Amino acid sequence: DIQMTQSPSSLSASVGDRVTITCRASHGINNYLAWFQQKPGEAPKSLIYLASSLRSGVPSRFRGSGSGTDFSLTISSLQPEDFATYYCQQYSTYPHTFGGGTKVEI
Amino acid sequence: QVQLQQWGAGLLKPSETLSLTCAVSGGSLSVYYWTWIRQTPGKGLEWIGEITQTGVTNYNPSLKSRVTILVDRSRDEFSLRLTSTTAADTAVYYCARRHNPTRGLEYWGQGTPVSVS
Repeated sequence: DIQMTQSPSSLSASVGDRVTITCRASHGINNYLAWFQQKPGEAPKSLIYLASSLRSGVPSRFRGSGSGTDFSLTISSLQPEDFATYYCQQYSTYPHTFGGGTKVEI
Repeated sequence: QVQLQQWGAGLLKPSETLSLTCAVSGGSLSVYYWTWIRQTPGKGLEWIGEITQTGVTNYNPSLKSRVTILVDRSRDEFSLRLTSTTAADTAVYYCARRHNPTRGLEYWGQGTPVSVS
């Protein structure tokens, strides 16, 4: 299986901060990398696919980047509704695997 | 508007079979890829398996011997069966839709908590 390693596992930030979360794959995944946001008690919500393509309706302050095995999600100016847990997922190779998550706290 | 509405038994005894159903509205089962995922506090998000628009299934090797994903096009539903459950199968289970091989998981069901005890 391809291992997905996210860092940090948690971070504290303030409204307006720029936040970057990284995700490293144990093997190349051809940019088949997605990012999800999850709030307590809710299903994950898709933000980014193909490493950098923004899902329709997702604010432009979310940006995905990277290639090969190293990827990142950047929130340019953190808003109150962005405090949540973020997950990366590779869907290049079965079984599709998720990172361990990054909790963004106030 | 695409909606995935899921349901199934939430409390099982060890060795029983987990059975969940996901009803799809706003999208054809013959066009997209249909996935099951589970989430536990300890292991995080775990991909269980997927059935493609042509009926081909792919399962997580860690669960493959116990998992079946089926599609019922007459009801616009797809389902998950997991046999011989143990406490380790206690999780919130989600159904989800993948648009095609490149676009990743786009829509998710609301989640069904399942406890095996």
